Amino acid sequence: AQKVTQAQTEISVVEKEDVTLDCVYETRDTTYYLFWYKQPPSGELVFLIRRNSFDEQNEISGRYSWNFQKSTSSFNFTITASQVVDSAVYFCALKDNQGGKLIFGQGTELSVKP
Amino acid sequence: DTGVSQNPRHKITKRGQNVTFRCDPISEHNRLYWYRQTLGQGPEFLTYFQNEAQLEKSRLLSDRFSAERPKGSFSTLEIQRTEQGDSAMYLCASSLEGAGEVEAFFGQGTRLTVV
Repeated sequence: AQKVTQAQTEISVVEKEDVTLDCVYETRDTTYYLFWYKQPPSGELVFLIRRNSFDEQNEISGRYSWNFQKSTSSFNFTITASQVVDSAVYFCALKDNQGGKLIFGQGTELSVKP
Repeated sequence: DTGVSQNPRHKITKRGQNVTFRCDPISEHNRLYWYRQTLGQGPEFLTYFQNEAQLEKSRLLSDRFSAERPKGSFSTLEIQRTEQGDSAMYLCASSLEGAGEVEAFFGQGTRLTVV
């Protein structure tokens, strides 16, 4: 079965701290895509990053970076120097190869305090 | 392009009434997805279209739910004889498959409250 688990329900940090959001996934597919989305209070899911399974190089994009480890089925997401505007619910998602639907984790609510 | 648009943003209805939501995807996107999200949970897949063809329906989509995408453009999701358990955020997403892009873009959702 395909499944995404985000063990952290809520995280609270003080502005300028770094914060890492954990994601563990299960899939039967040999190639697949993983994503992180942000959902602010307005409700819209905002695409942040994607990672394909056949490239394990970790990347940095501005204040965002991600650590993809196929051996442990983990896809962790780090925000460097967090800001109050980063406060939102963050979802990790796995794309199903049959049709492309996304399988989401339960989300991590990040609160960044000034 | 203005992104994925959903209407209405909020809907309050009495139990037993029918409701219809609309989604306008990004214009060139060939795939359109519907998801349902309840409080404190991640979105759950309901159904998707490839152009005008509805190719997959989740077991969450009871026979009171129907979705259409005429002419492969906008889509509607109708819920008949609403129940309190239907209260949720209904999210629409679109993507362009087969052109190297794999991410889906979401609308702001329609929040349904059944009283």
